[in-house]
Amino acid sequence: AQSVTQLDSQVPVFEEAPVELRCNYSSSVSVYLFWYVQYPNQGLQLLLKYLSGSTLVESINGFEAEFNKSQTSFHLRKPSVHISDTAEYFCAVTNQGGKLIFGQGTELSVKP
Amino acid sequence: DTAVSQTPKYLVTQMGNDKSIKCEQNLGHDTMYWYKQDSKKFLKIMFSYNNKELIINETVPNRFSPKSPDKAHLNLHINSLELGDSAVYFCASSEQAYNEQFFGPGTRLTVL
Repeated sequence: AQSVTQLDSQVPVFEEAPVELRCNYSSSVSVYLFWYVQYPNQGLQLLLKYLSGSTLVESINGFEAEFNKSQTSFHLRKPSVHISDTAEYFCAVTNQGGKLIFGQGTELSVKP
Repeated sequence: DTAVSQTPKYLVTQMGNDKSIKCEQNLGHDTMYWYKQDSKKFLKIMFSYNNKELIINETVPNRFSPKSPDKAHLNLHINSLELGDSAVYFCASSEQAYNEQFFGPGTRLTVL
């Protein structure tokens, strides 16, 4: 069975500081990995994904994540956060069966 | 031009009632899903349909019945609503079962 663990439930940071949101997964088969963001009272939006190829994936708004197979991790990073990045972030894993398993979520709170 | 839409956005009802939530996607995707997000923001898959055929059915009470009249629609009917059914329900779709999933805005169900 697959599972996802997001190691931090809340991450408070100051604006323009770097941030890392940690995600570890467990699976006995090849996986596809995703980060979704949920702004208050909204649905989930895909931030970035790893399906195959380069292990470093980037989003259009400055986030990046690196797939590390040996450490079974897919941590999300941003070198300088903005107030507008305040949201809930979900790491998720699936295999070819399509069942998306989510982590518990990390609340990123960016303070001025 | 909403990709995945859900109606209604809010649903307040009494225990014991029967209610339905509708979902439509205009992305031409073959696969659609229903997720439940509880008060702690934990997301869990409930059902998945591929081309109108049920492919994922998690351990959900049989009071919940999904119906897919065509591949662009996946509705969720809930009988005999209980307090514990209060949650935000998200519909999603994907091109194939393991691709990124596009989420609707959610339906906040409150059972009184």
